[in-house]
Amino acid sequence: QQQVKQSPQSLIVQKGGISIINCAYENTAFDYFPWYQQFPGKGPALLIAIRPDVSEKKEGRFTISFNKSAKQFSLHIMDSQPGDSATYFCAAMTDYKLSFGAGTTVTVRA
Amino acid sequence: NAGVMQNPRHLVRRRGQEARLRCSPMKGHSHVYWYRQLPEEGLKFMVYLQKENIIDESGMPKERFSAEFPKEGPSILRIQQVVRGDSAAYFCASSPPGGPRENIQYFGAGTRLSVL
Repeated sequence: QQQVKQSPQSLIVQKGGISIINCAYENTAFDYFPWYQQFPGKGPALLIAIRPDVSEKKEGRFTISFNKSAKQFSLHIMDSQPGDSATYFCAAMTDYKLSFGAGTTVTVRA
Repeated sequence: NAGVMQNPRHLVRRRGQEARLRCSPMKGHSHVYWYRQLPEEGLKFMVYLQKENIIDESGMPKERFSAEFPKEGPSILRIQQVVRGDSAAYFCASSPPGGPRENIQYFGAGTRLSVL
């Protein structure tokens, strides 16, 4: 049972374009929503995170949009670069348990 | 400042053998978590440990799997009598004292287990 649903499974974007990844959840007990970036053969690395009392958070080219009433959140990668090519996981935490989405493989074409 | 260290990075076992996966948390961290990642899937929580204590093992299969985090030394995830379905990447994460809710979990590079 997937507690966090993530889409799309993969996407291809041109260099300089915008990548958008969406996630939805059901459990209203989740209170922390991080995004992780994973390169092949590596562990997930925290990219950016948000708490549900905030509707948007921006760090550099990465922005999280959070819609508490819809129980949805999304990651926007602006001005996508070839170095952004990776798998991105959304996650949601309650207490100490992270529940991960299935991941989105992003390919940025030069 | 070394990150979360996992070894081995790759482990090959034949069916029926035992697999031992090690995790050394970041310096100063006292909370350890193990996650399993199957191909094309996200990470799934397995167990949460503090020094000498298992706090939550609700994600661990009931049989063949065990975990420990002794007073001295790394955390160990042990899988007895491995089967092909155990083939996966196993990730360890750690967080500092002060409550896991307030702190980021930092992940190691993982151990990729292949069962022949």
